[in-house]
Amino acid sequence: NAGVTQTPKFQVLKTGQSMTLQCAQDMNHEYMSWYRQDPGMGLRLIHYSVGAGITDQGEVPNGYNVSRSTTEDFPLRLLSAAPSQTSVYFCASRRGQGPGGELFFGEGSRLTVL
Amino acid sequence: AQKVTQAQTEISVVEKEDVTLDCVYETRDTTYYLFWYKQPPSGELVFLIRRNSFDEQNEISGRYSWNFQKSTSSFNFTITASQVVDSAVYFCALSESGNTPLVFGKGTRLSVIA
Repeated sequence: NAGVTQTPKFQVLKTGQSMTLQCAQDMNHEYMSWYRQDPGMGLRLIHYSVGAGITDQGEVPNGYNVSRSTTEDFPLRLLSAAPSQTSVYFCASRRGQGPGGELFFGEGSRLTVL
Repeated sequence: AQKVTQAQTEISVVEKEDVTLDCVYETRDTTYYLFWYKQPPSGELVFLIRRNSFDEQNEISGRYSWNFQKSTSSFNFTITASQVVDSAVYFCALSESGNTPLVFGKGTRLSVIA
């Protein structure tokens, strides 16, 4: 059972380039989310989704787009990368739409924007 | 809005010492969920415990114990007889009722020295 899979694990971009961080889960979880982790800032929520076709913004959504066309996938798009988006990104999912379930995390994607 | 405060940024202890990591939360909901996650140097996020707001019983799991006190809005984590393998960043997190995402504190970095 793969759980939550993120690709790529490492990426270097130049300012202004675009890219998509992929996230897939095979647990049939309805809820998925993206966080970024920066030193001293903890984990900050970027976007989340409570089911296919439904997305919402988190604490730091600017510069990022998401879509949820299937239950399994929740890609995070950077349309025009900026150095401030250098971070480690984590995708996470949980069963159901309610808040009480454990979040399962991917291994993280380290992004550097030059 | 929900908020989690982990006032201790870094803690350093000598092996076999006991250590308590503090977590203070803010919420207006009467139904909410509290979590602790561990992030070892390898970077993955590991679920440790979940507690709902109606269950104030303390919990012990081996060398780990958790003290949940609604009166002080705290959910503290104690490691007894710490070991080098306990060295990690520990995150406390909170989710409110409904389709709400998990909000994390900024984390406490624990270093256990042999």
